[in-house]
Amino acid sequence: NAGVMQNPRHLVRRRGQEARLRCSPMKGHSHVYWYRQLPEEGLKFMVYLQKENIIDESGMPKERFSAEFPKEGPSILRIQQVVRGDSAAYFCASSPAGLQTYEQYFGPGTRLTVT
Amino acid sequence: GNSVTQMEGPVTLSEEAFLTINCTYTATGYPSLFWYVQYPGEGLQLLLKATKADDKGSNKGFEATYRKETTSFHLEKGSVQVSDSAVYFCALSGSSAGNQFYFGTGTSLTVIP
Repeated sequence: NAGVMQNPRHLVRRRGQEARLRCSPMKGHSHVYWYRQLPEEGLKFMVYLQKENIIDESGMPKERFSAEFPKEGPSILRIQQVVRGDSAAYFCASSPAGLQTYEQYFGPGTRLTVT
Repeated sequence: GNSVTQMEGPVTLSEEAFLTINCTYTATGYPSLFWYVQYPGEGLQLLLKATKADDKGSNKGFEATYRKETTSFHLEKGSVQVSDSAVYFCALSGSSAGNQFYFGTGTSLTVIP
């Protein structure tokens, strides 16, 4: 039973380029969450999605960041015109439902470096 | 608002020593509390959880008790091993936090033989 999969594991982008991060949830999970971990900090919630719906994007920066979870295929976190401050580890998590008693299962993360 | 505060690291212990990592939280209502562990280069793995006051979560020799009166969820292990070296995150979810997880900043633990 495969866990949450993220790719790429490492991504290097120059300032101004676009970064696309992919997340495939665990089999049977329909809820996806994205978190960002800045150096020396804990994980910060960014966005919560169900299939074809954004449920909570209160943690997403207002500009340049977007997320989707289409009916088919992985969830995508897109960062346009990246800046050095976007360098971080981005983690995806999934759960079988949105109830708070369900723990979230985390992927290995994508480490984005902006040069 | 909701927040989690963890003791600062890094923590270095000798094998078989006793471990305590402090965690306190701020939340409205009755959130669920979690400890996650992150091994180098990997994602977070759930270590243990507690969903209501006075619950004790336990796994792999680790324990934590949900203390409503002190808003704490301290992680303990009686005898650490080298393989326990990792970063440990305290987190809360549910109640006023909804589906979001709020994480502490993490505590790095290194166990030396």
